[in-house]
Amino acid sequence: QVHLVQSGAEVKKPGASVKVSCKASGYTFIGYYLHWVRQAPGQGLEWMGWINPSSGDTNYAQRFQGRVTMTRDTSISTAYMDLSRLRSDDTAVYYCARERGSGTSSGLTFWGQGTLVTVSS
Amino acid sequence: DIQMTQSPSTLSASVGDRVTITCRASESISRWLAWYQQKPGKAPKLLIYKASSSESGVPSRFSGSGSGTEFTLTITGLQPDDFATYYCQEYNSDYSFGQGTKLEIK
Repeated sequence: QVHLVQSGAEVKKPGASVKVSCKASGYTFIGYYLHWVRQAPGQGLEWMGWINPSSGDTNYAQRFQGRVTMTRDTSISTAYMDLSRLRSDDTAVYYCARERGSGTSSGLTFWGQGTLVTVSS
Repeated sequence: DIQMTQSPSTLSASVGDRVTITCRASESISRWLAWYQQKPGKAPKLLIYKASSSESGVPSRFSGSGSGTEFTLTITGLQPDDFATYYCQEYNSDYSFGQGTKLEIK
């Protein structure tokens, strides 16, 4: 079965960077886009971007352009989300999620367990 | 950016009720819309994709409809497990989420 397992919680200071990993198993890693979604405490879901694990192509939400980098290592079926110049309002749970369909957008079916990133001085 | 607006923000209902949540897009997204259910401390769960197609394993009491800019999620015969927060998401261009609708027990 499909599993997405994310790295553990992080505590960072303002201005620092954080890199969250998402290890996929149970399916062909390069066959499905992976998205990153975050959720601040008590708030709604916010889409950050996607990566095509096959090509490495990315598409970032405009508000994160210049601060976020999504990469992948196909040899270990793992995707990464790097967010730089952290601010206190970046404190959130960060999720990776896999597209339902291969090669086509159709919703996010499988989700990681979430990684809490806390930004505090 | 496409803006997704859900209404209501909070909905109080009883077990057995039929409830409807609305999601409006700031421009046409055809039928490229998904609905998710999220419970506290858990990742979202996909319920509906392409506006009205049910994800595998989702109870038939959940249904979606709409196209263009207006969409609805209907739950017919609320069960205790359905009290949660619901989000719409467009995937026509920006993958924006609505702000969420919290479904509470009356």
